[in-house]
Amino acid sequence: SQKIEQNSEALNIQEGKTATLTCNYTNYSPAYLQWYRQDPGRGPVFLLLIRENEKEKRKERLKVTFDTTLKQSLFHITASQPADSATYLCALDPRGNNRLAFGKGNQVVVIP
Amino acid sequence: DGGITQSPKYLFRKEGQNVTLSCEQNLNHDAMYWYRQDPGQGLRLIYYSQIVNDFQKGDIAEGYSVSREKKESFPLTVTSAQKNPTAFYLCASREQGARTEAFFGQGTRLTVV
Repeated sequence: SQKIEQNSEALNIQEGKTATLTCNYTNYSPAYLQWYRQDPGRGPVFLLLIRENEKEKRKERLKVTFDTTLKQSLFHITASQPADSATYLCALDPRGNNRLAFGKGNQVVVIP
Repeated sequence: DGGITQSPKYLFRKEGQNVTLSCEQNLNHDAMYWYRQDPGQGLRLIYYSQIVNDFQKGDIAEGYSVSREKKESFPLTVTSAQKNPTAFYLCASREQGARTEAFFGQGTRLTVV
């Protein structure tokens, strides 16, 4: 069956450090992979999209990698701040349809 | 302002009643989605629509129905057949075929008592 797996345990990290989250997928061949941020009681907000032929994408303090051989994406928040505390969701865009599928998300808590 | 609007934000219903959640967008997007989120869980796809008058079942369509009569609107009905309807419901839209970002509404929290 198709799965998108993110670590269910919250990541507690000291302010200023780099937070790294993992998204693993099985039985998908995505052409694109996206990352979203969700705050409690709110809808997710888009952060970054990376294509299969891109190894890395950056946006300000965020960096995403995409390894289609390992079937894995890594999401990094550098110089983390308390305002970065949220849940981060990985989403896949399978080939051939417009059906956007999400992982369960990984909570990040940045400690001042 | 362009965006996607869900209403109401909170909804209470008695068990056995059907209820319809509203989702409207003025982004001119072809594709629209409904997701369900339970506490500590990710988003599970209920239904999606790629064009007016067409929609497809997602992973958990049982007990739900949708319509797409207008490009701007994609209402979701939670029927009495849905065994555990209490959840946070999210609507999203995006451009068709462009593999672009999804825009989400603020969600509707449905509580069935």
